[in-house]
Amino acid sequence: QVQLVQSGAEVKKPGASVKVSCKASGYTFSSYGITWVRQAPGQGLEWMGWISNNNGNTGYSQKFQGRVTMTTDTSTTTAYMELRSLRSDDTAVYYCVRDRYTGVSTPDYWGQGTLVTVSS
Amino acid sequence: DVVMTQSPLSLSVTLGQPASISCRSSQSLVYSDGGTYLNWFQQRPGQSPRRLIYGVSKRDSGVPDRFSGSGSGTDFTLKIISVEAEDVGIYYCMQGTHWPRTFGPGTKVDIK
Repeated sequence: QVQLVQSGAEVKKPGASVKVSCKASGYTFSSYGITWVRQAPGQGLEWMGWISNNNGNTGYSQKFQGRVTMTTDTSTTTAYMELRSLRSDDTAVYYCVRDRYTGVSTPDYWGQGTLVTVSS
Repeated sequence: DVVMTQSPLSLSVTLGQPASISCRSSQSLVYSDGGTYLNWFQQRPGQSPRRLIYGVSKRDSGVPDRFSGSGSGTDFTLKIISVEAEDVGIYYCMQGTHWPRTFGPGTKVDIK
């Protein structure tokens, strides 16, 4: 069965970086992409970006451009999302979601989420 | 960016009664291939979101048939024909046609 297992909760200081991992199993990793979505406490879902596991192409929200890097390691079927220069309003649960590897977006299977807390 | 709006933002429903959520996009969601990439997600309290509907009206495996999606262009609807207790949560629409992808603000459904 399709599973996306994310790394554990993180506490970071303002200005630091965080790298969240997302280990995929149960499907052909390179035939799909990964979308990253975050959810601040009590708030809605926010699309951050996407990476193709097929060729590494990425698409980022302008809001995070320059601060976020999404990568993928096909040898370990793991996707990563690194967010730099963290601020208190980056405190959120970060989700990885399986998606198409190109074209349009139809995200289906979600990871369990990773809580990132940014606090001095 | 394509703005997704939902109404109502909150819905209190009697068990067994129907519920309807509207989702509107600021631009047509028809893609160059002729498809329309509008998804619906359910997020139960304390859980990760779960996709219910993709491509406007295609129900995911395991989703009860009391859920249905409809619409076209810029106007879409999620309907629950008979609300059950397990349907409590927040429902989000999301467009997957245009960059960047965008979510609606969510509609909170609870039981009256």
